Parts: sequence; C-alpha cells; structure tokens
Amino acid sequence: KAGVTQTPRYLIKTRGQQVTLSCSPISGHRSVSWYQQTPGQGLQFLFEYFSETQRNKGNFPGRFSGRQFSNSRSEMNVSTLELGDSALYLCASSLDRDTYGYTFGSGTRLTVV
Amino acid sequence: EDQVTQSPEALRLQEGESSSLNCSYTVSGLRGLFWYRQDPGKGPEFLFTLYSAGEEKEKERLKATLTKKESFLHITAPKPEDSATYLCASWGGDKIIFGKGTRLHILP
Repeated sequence: KAGVTQTPRYLIKTRGQQVTLSCSPISGHRSVSWYQQTPGQGLQFLFEYFSETQRNKGNFPGRFSGRQFSNSRSEMNVSTLELGDSALYLCASSLDRDTYGYTFGSGTRLTVV
Repeated sequence: EDQVTQSPEALRLQEGESSSLNCSYTVSGLRGLFWYRQDPGKGPEFLFTLYSAGEEKEKERLKATLTKKESFLHITAPKPEDSATYLCASWGGDKIIFGKGTRLHILP
C-alpha cells in the first residue's frame, strides 16, 4: 500500500521567489493537512483540506496558501519566500483521524537562501 | 491559549531501563490526544489516540495513558531501535497542536 508521497524531497530557493509543493495522499484518504517543522518551533499546523475545501487554517501569513484537487492530491504554495521559511514541510492524510490519526509523508526540505 | 508541553526535551537510557515521557496540555474541549514517533529524515508515525481521562493504550513496549491535564508515554525495557523523537499532539475544537517532542536515545 503506497504511503503519502511528497515531491520534491529537497528544494533550494532564493528569497523573494515562490514555491509549490505537492502531496499525494493515501488512496481513499480525503483529508490532507500541511505542517511546517523547524527545530525552534516544532510542528506547526498550516491548513487542512477535506474534499477540496479548506476546513481549518493555522496562524500563518497569507503568503502560505494551498488547494486540494478532486483526486485528493494537494499543493501548497509559498509566495515571496523569506529566509525564515526554511523548514521541513510535511503533508499528512487521514481516513479517520479518530482511530488512525494522520499518516505523514517524509516531507519536503525547503531551504531559502 | 491552547498549549502542549513535552518533557524532558531529551532522554538517554540504557537498554532495558524503563522510563516515562510527559505531555502536559491546556486545551479547551479536548477531543483527543495523539502520540507519534519520528525518526530522523522521516515524517511522524502514528502510535496512539487517547480520548478520555483514564484511558490506556499499549503497543509492544509502549503504553500511553491520559489524565485531565497530561499524558504519559511509558517505555518498558526499551531497545536501541526505540530511539526516536516522540511527539504528542492535542486535538481540541478543530485544531491540532503538537508539542516540541522528546528525543529519546537508548544506549546498547
């Protein structure tokens, strides 16, 4: 059974650029969440999508946006990159978070220079 | 403000030396408390969900418990392969808040 797939695994961007990260959830999972992980702040919730609708949003600036497609695949976009956006971005999908929690991908390591 | 605090930040144990990790939370209307394990370079791996005070769940050498203010992850007779960062997360309302984790290192 395929897990959550995130692409690319590593990315280096320059300040001011924009970036799009992709996440393919486990087949059948309709909920997709995005997290930012840094050594100082730990895992911070960005947003959650369910059936193409944003269900919940964390406390991040509007430069961070996302969307979900009809096949449940999701993308996250960060515009006008800042050095502080360097982090591991994790995507997680869920069939039933009550019982199974979230299944995380291995993440995209974004470095902004 | 909802908050999740894990302690200790790091823990080194000898193989076979049992211990407990703590997760304190202040969350309005807790719906669930998650525990995850994270290995370097990988995403977190789901371990348990606890829903109400008094609940316990076990998996191999791990047992998670929940009170009204904190959760504990007990590790019995750990092995080197249990070395990882253990994360807890509260689920309240529709927000999930992660603690910063406990880095556990089991020495052979």
